[in-house]
Amino acid sequence: GENVEQHPSTLSVQEGDSAVIKCTYSDSASNYFPWYKQELGKGPQLIIDIRSNVGEKKDQRIAVTLNKTAKHFSLHITETQPEDSAVYFCAAKERPSGSARQLTFGSGTQLTVLP
Amino acid sequence: DGGITQSPKYLFRKEGQNVTLSCEQNLNHDAMYWYRQDPGQGLRLIYYSQIVNDFQKGDIAEGYSVSREKKESFPLTVTSAQKNPTAFYLCASGTGIHEQYFGPGTRLTVT
Repeated sequence: GENVEQHPSTLSVQEGDSAVIKCTYSDSASNYFPWYKQELGKGPQLIIDIRSNVGEKKDQRIAVTLNKTAKHFSLHITETQPEDSAVYFCAAKERPSGSARQLTFGSGTQLTVLP
Repeated sequence: DGGITQSPKYLFRKEGQNVTLSCEQNLNHDAMYWYRQDPGQGLRLIYYSQIVNDFQKGDIAEGYSVSREKKESFPLTVTSAQKNPTAFYLCASGTGIHEQYFGPGTRLTVT
């Protein structure tokens, strides 16, 4: 099955600086890579995703890049703000095997934006 | 949290009791999922359902049971056989193709 590793586990940045979170995956057949933001005591919120036929995707201050050859993908947040402080999770989804279409999650990164 | 509701937000039970967590969605999604989250850890899949009246075990199904009698509802029962049930439980739904959207979660404490 798929295995997703996420680094770093904690990240502190100054307000206005950029933050980068990296994930690697093991299954070369995986074809969908979402990123979730989870605030304390709440459910994860899908913030951006990328599919295997695309190398980069941007949405305002956030972007995701995918390197299929190296099997890694990254989340980039520019001009960070205090409200960006949260736990961020990456995930990877395998191609269907029978009826299975599952997400495998990384272990999360606690991002703290210091004012 | 979109159109996914979970109730209650906090739940307390005594050890040895079964407890059922509710999950409802009005997004017309075919697929629904239950995850468990422990402090400082990622999400682990308990059960998922692609269509009504069908569901599959995830990675940590032991001690849990589910039903999918309606498209909108996917309740999770935590049985007394679950050895360490205290956790944050998250329900999600999706089209079954790619995206999954999560509810607000239920924090279960068993003493």
